[in-house]
Amino acid sequence: GQQLNQSPQSMFIQEGEDVSMNCTSSSIFNTWLWYKQDPGEGPVLLIALYKAGELTSNGRLTAQFGITRKDSFLNISASIPSDVGIYFCAGQRYGNKLVFGAGTILRVKS
Amino acid sequence: DAGVIQSPRHEVTEMGQEVTLRCKPISGHDYLFWYRQTMMRGLELLIYFNNNVPIDDSGMPEDRFSAKMPNASFSTLKIQPSEPRDSAVYFCASTHLVRENTEAFFGQGTRLTVV
Repeated sequence: GQQLNQSPQSMFIQEGEDVSMNCTSSSIFNTWLWYKQDPGEGPVLLIALYKAGELTSNGRLTAQFGITRKDSFLNISASIPSDVGIYFCAGQRYGNKLVFGAGTILRVKS
Repeated sequence: DAGVIQSPRHEVTEMGQEVTLRCKPISGHDYLFWYRQTMMRGLELLIYFNNNVPIDDSGMPEDRFSAKMPNASFSTLKIQPSEPRDSAVYFCASTHLVRENTEAFFGQGTRLTVV
């Protein structure tokens, strides 16, 4: 089945530092999505990517859809304490189910 | 829109009892997904519907699990009989496939504890 490899599994960084995480797959996807999950809540969509090579920003967040359609990365610049949570990548092919990565746990030291 | 609405938020039940989880998708969305989240296995897709029809239920762990979508605004996930290993957070998500746009929105989840 389709599998997504998300890395790193966890990060413990200093406030103000930049963060980078990525997902790779052996399969091609037509859509890449990045979600954040806070404790006790459902995943919330951060950024959606629809075209190979697309680079999209949302405030301090930047994500890219890899040229090969098999990977994506998410960058967070100048991290702040409220960035803590679990970040998930998800890939989807047309009309098919979303496949999620295992998540990256982000902790920020003030 | 109020978003995807799930109920209950928390459910504690005894082993062997029937459990029913409920979901109201975002109005106009024609895809509905049920996920289970555990520490060990992360987010697992259980089943998804398109236009109220189950498309892929290969993620449903056992016959004890069943899901229905009687209309476009309501879906249930039932576990009968429940077991302690079913304890997890169950999420419902919905989306509307418009060309290539497939942003899925999640509910807040139901935390199920089977004792």
